[in-house]
Amino acid sequence: KAGVTQTPRYLIKTRGQQVTLSCSPISGHRSVSWYQQTPGQGLQFLFEYFSETQRNKGNFPGRFSGRQFSNSRSEMNVSTLELGDSALYLCASSPAVRAETQYFGPGTRLLVL
Amino acid sequence: AQSVTQPDIHITVSEGASLELRCNYSYGATPYLFWYVQSPGQGLQLLLKYFSGDTLVQGIKGFEAEFKRSQSSFNLRKPSVHWSDAAEYFCAVGTTGGGNKLTFGTGTQLKVEL
Repeated sequence: KAGVTQTPRYLIKTRGQQVTLSCSPISGHRSVSWYQQTPGQGLQFLFEYFSETQRNKGNFPGRFSGRQFSNSRSEMNVSTLELGDSALYLCASSPAVRAETQYFGPGTRLLVL
Repeated sequence: AQSVTQPDIHITVSEGASLELRCNYSYGATPYLFWYVQSPGQGLQLLLKYFSGDTLVQGIKGFEAEFKRSQSSFNLRKPSVHWSDAAEYFCAVGTTGGGNKLTFGTGTQLKVEL
């Protein structure tokens, strides 16, 4: 099976812009979670989607949003970018809604100038 | 709220030496516990996991971890480290109440001296 894929892999934006990141889970996986990784804050949970519904949400401002499509692919959007949003954004998929092993993609590295 | 502590930010070992990475967790119930490894510029690869049962779990690449409820620990071990093991290692706790949410420790950077 193909692994979790994320596009784009690298992105440069300027402050105030918005950005959309995409994640395609492993075939058959219905849960997609997003994480932000920064040197200062480490790995932090953003949100999780299962069957197009947001199941869990982390402590991030409303500028961070996401959605999931019927084919389980997911997107996350960050509006009004700030310098502090520069990070590696990781997507993970798992087969079920309960706590399960999550398989991570390679991430999208976002640089905000 | 759940939390994970990895007390060692950096560890250096010689190739062939044994390794133990420490992880302590805080969680109100029996936790789901994971160790992931991350190479530079890469995503996270699962090394091993503990859900229930045998408290000594085996993983990939010769790693093992032991769950000790009394110490709230889930330390990662390897009897003989290879230069290719140099990477960052993350311990994580997962929710058992539904949903997929991992809380990660701050990571331990492993350097292997040849």
